[in-house]
Amino acid sequence: NAGVTQTPKFQVLKTGQSMTLQCAQDMNHNSMYWYRQDPGMGLRLIYYSASEGTTDKGEVPNGYNVSRLNKREFSLRLESAAPSQTSVYFCASSEGSGRETQYFGPGTRLLVL
Amino acid sequence: AQSVTQPDIHITVSEGASLELRCNYSYGATPYLFWYVQSPGQGLQLLLKYFSGDTLVQGIKGFEAEFKRSQSSFNLRKPSVHWSDAAEYFCAVGERGSYIPTFGRGTSLIVHP
Repeated sequence: NAGVTQTPKFQVLKTGQSMTLQCAQDMNHNSMYWYRQDPGMGLRLIYYSASEGTTDKGEVPNGYNVSRLNKREFSLRLESAAPSQTSVYFCASSEGSGRETQYFGPGTRLLVL
Repeated sequence: AQSVTQPDIHITVSEGASLELRCNYSYGATPYLFWYVQSPGQGLQLLLKYFSGDTLVQGIKGFEAEFKRSQSSFNLRKPSVHWSDAAEYFCAVGERGSYIPTFGRGTSLIVHP
């Protein structure tokens, strides 16, 4: 039982490049989330998926797209990376029962030059 | 919409001293309340949570938190801090029926030997 896994762990991009961050969970959770963490800003929700087949915008969705590939996997795509997207990205999952304890992955550190 | 305030950006304590991290929330009804801990380079891990019932909640690693409705607070405490407690601590509030908690900006705990 690996919990929530994320790939890659670290990535350097040039401005304008694209990339996809991968996330998978093996806890049979219904809901999945993408956050970014910046110094002094805490966690800010980018997108979430309440259940398989649905996605919704969070607080800071601009510049990102997501895909809920199946119940296990939830990917985050940067179509044209910008330096402002330099951050640490966390994926999380929860049961989707409404009493939402979230389980977090180890994070992806992204540097956009 | 709910909001969370963690008034202290940094807290420094000596090993063996007691600890209290403050968390205040803004929400009309009784919320769901969480404390998460993030060790350096890691994802977030749940310490404890409050949904209903006894307002004093016990968590992992010797932590506890008390829900005080009159003060809209959910402060985290530990009677004796260990060096391994040095980490970032996040308070979060969830609205009943919602999938999405709101996170505070975090408090960084520094432990002096």
